[in-house]
Amino acid sequence: NAGVTQTPKFQVLKTGQSMTLQCAQDMNHEYMSWYRQDPGMGLRLIHYSVGAGITDQGEVPNGYNVSRSTTEDFPLRLLSAAPSQTSVYFCASRRAFSSYEQYFGPGTRLTVT
Amino acid sequence: QQPVQSPQAVILREGEDAVINCSSSKALYSVHWYRQKHGEAPVFLMILLKGGEQKGHEKISASFNEKKQQSSLYLTASQLSYSGTYFCGTPHGGYSGGGADGLTFGKGTHLIIQP
Repeated sequence: NAGVTQTPKFQVLKTGQSMTLQCAQDMNHEYMSWYRQDPGMGLRLIHYSVGAGITDQGEVPNGYNVSRSTTEDFPLRLLSAAPSQTSVYFCASRRAFSSYEQYFGPGTRLTVT
Repeated sequence: QQPVQSPQAVILREGEDAVINCSSSKALYSVHWYRQKHGEAPVFLMILLKGGEQKGHEKISASFNEKKQQSSLYLTASQLSYSGTYFCGTPHGGYSGGGADGLTFGKGTHLIIQP
């Protein structure tokens, strides 16, 4: 199993550009989440999904969209990048009911200039 | 609302003990603990559930006081491998113990173990 994979690892965007951060898991996990991590702020929840076709907002959803058309994939879209979105983005997944452990991907480091 | 962690940072020598605290302003059904090493992704340590159940796969102990809405992580006889940043998390929606709706994390406690 590859676990949770994220692409790209690094990305530089200009203000106003849009892009999609990819996240995929091969563990057949029902639950998936996106977090951003900024120095001194910990991990903050952006969006989450409890299954294909079901998504909802977390703590800091503004400026981001998500969709979940399959169990495996949970892409995060930046609609119009802003310098305040410079951060490290982590995707996580976990199995429903039988386990509470979240498995995190390796992260995407995004810089918006 | 983010749980509050204390202390913000701890420096220990190998073999010493440490306690990391996590408190919340809202009722807790569970507390989740993760450790993150520099440049890596967070890794699950354990979960403490209302009613006293604990699940984890590390030799780390913790407590959960539901009335005080607090949890503490106890690191005894610390090893160099314990270094990293420790995060506590609580279910975002507050209703589910497992956090199906993601977790709200504290700002972290930096732990440095010196030889």
